[in-house]
Amino acid sequence: EDKVVQSPLSLVVHEGDTVTLNCSYEVTNFRSLLWYKQEKKAPTFLFMLTSSGIEKKSGRLSSILDKKELFSILNITATQTGDSAIYLCAVFAGGSNYKLTFGKGTLLTVNP
Amino acid sequence: SAVISQKPSRDICQRGTSLTIQCQVDSQVTMMFWYRQQPGQSLTLIATANQGSEATYESGFVIDKFPISRPNLTFSTLTVSNMSPEDSSIYLCSAGTGGAYGYTFGSGTRLTVV
Repeated sequence: EDKVVQSPLSLVVHEGDTVTLNCSYEVTNFRSLLWYKQEKKAPTFLFMLTSSGIEKKSGRLSSILDKKELFSILNITATQTGDSAIYLCAVFAGGSNYKLTFGKGTLLTVNP
Repeated sequence: SAVISQKPSRDICQRGTSLTIQCQVDSQVTMMFWYRQQPGQSLTLIATANQGSEATYESGFVIDKFPISRPNLTFSTLTVSNMSPEDSSIYLCSAGTGGAYGYTFGSGTRLTVV
């Protein structure tokens, strides 16, 4: 059975801090790893990673994938209160009928 | 990436009744999925909505409880039948082609069963 494990499950930081969120996975026939941000109800897409060692970057957020060690990290620099959300990691495996397997998420709280 | 309109955004329902949730996508998409997110939990896939045929349900979910329709490539409905308080959750639809932008989510339906 495909498995996605995120850590930490929750994290509280102060504005301006840098955070690193972790996602490890065990899947058969890995295709890609996705990061989502969930603030209220709907997760919003952040990144899709398919190749090892290539950093994806968007503003203060960046992410990288290590396919050998089967993990990904999501970095957020100079955090702001608006970064407070649940960050979800999901894996897309071939032969899975195109469905995603989600981790439990990391609840990030950024205090002013 | 696709834009999804999901409704209703929230509802409070009596136990024993049914609620149908609709998702409309602004473009034709290959894949549509329905998820449940119980309080404090991550997303659990209920089923894959297949265009023109029966949905593919995940373990623990059955068609009688969660009938799904997908009459075309842009629209799907999920019905939560014979509701009990345990069905109180956020229900989300998701759609896409599995390409570079992954899958987009609808705005979610917050269901409370009393």
